Amino acid sequence: QVHLVESGGGLVKPGGSLRLSCAASGFTFSSYFMSWIRQAPGKGLECLSYISSSGRDIYYADSVKGRFTISRDNSENSLYLQMSSLRAEDTAVYYCARFRAAYFDSWGQGSLVTVSS
Amino acid sequence: SYVLTQIPSVSVAPGQTATITCGKNNFGSKLVHWYQQKPGQAPVLVVNDDSDRPSGIPERFSGSNSGNTATLTISRVEAGDEADYYCQVWDSRSDLILFGGGTKLTVL
Repeated sequence: QVHLVESGGGLVKPGGSLRLSCAASGFTFSSYFMSWIRQAPGKGLECLSYISSSGRDIYYADSVKGRFTISRDNSENSLYLQMSSLRAEDTAVYYCARFRAAYFDSWGQGSLVTVSS
Repeated sequence: SYVLTQIPSVSVAPGQTATITCGKNNFGSKLVHWYQQKPGQAPVLVVNDDSDRPSGIPERFSGSNSGNTATLTISRVEAGDEADYYCQVWDSRSDLILFGGGTKLTVL
């Protein structure tokens, strides 16, 4: 079955950078769009970015455009999110999710990112 | 502006029917998808494309979409259904993906 495991979260200072990874298994990774979604403490869900199966098409939410970069390595079945210029409001659990047609059909368990001095 | 509007909380007794709505004024005929999120867990897709149920989701969960409102209906509610529920749409033309603010379902 589909298995998504995020890693790379942790505590970072404002203005700092962090790279999240998502290891995928149980499906043909190279055939699917993938995405990053976050949830601030006690808040709702926010789709940050998605990337097409080839990596050619990418979407970013306005809240992270210019600061975050999504990428993938189909040979490694991995998805990445490079985050820079981090702010306190970026503190959240970050989920990797498979983006199928128009919805997210499988999610990882999430990785907590805390931005604090 | 593009907003999906959900009532913050809904309460229902076990065995009754829970109705959770999603106001999608600016999204017209866009398909709506629903997720269930239990405390400390990742969201789970429970309804996609307005009314389809993914494999493993009980038939008690159903969805509909008409006019400006989409609805998730949970029949014969159980204690285990207590969770936050989020609606979501994707507007491919504007490349906008949006979640509603979520509805907390409390089973009395």
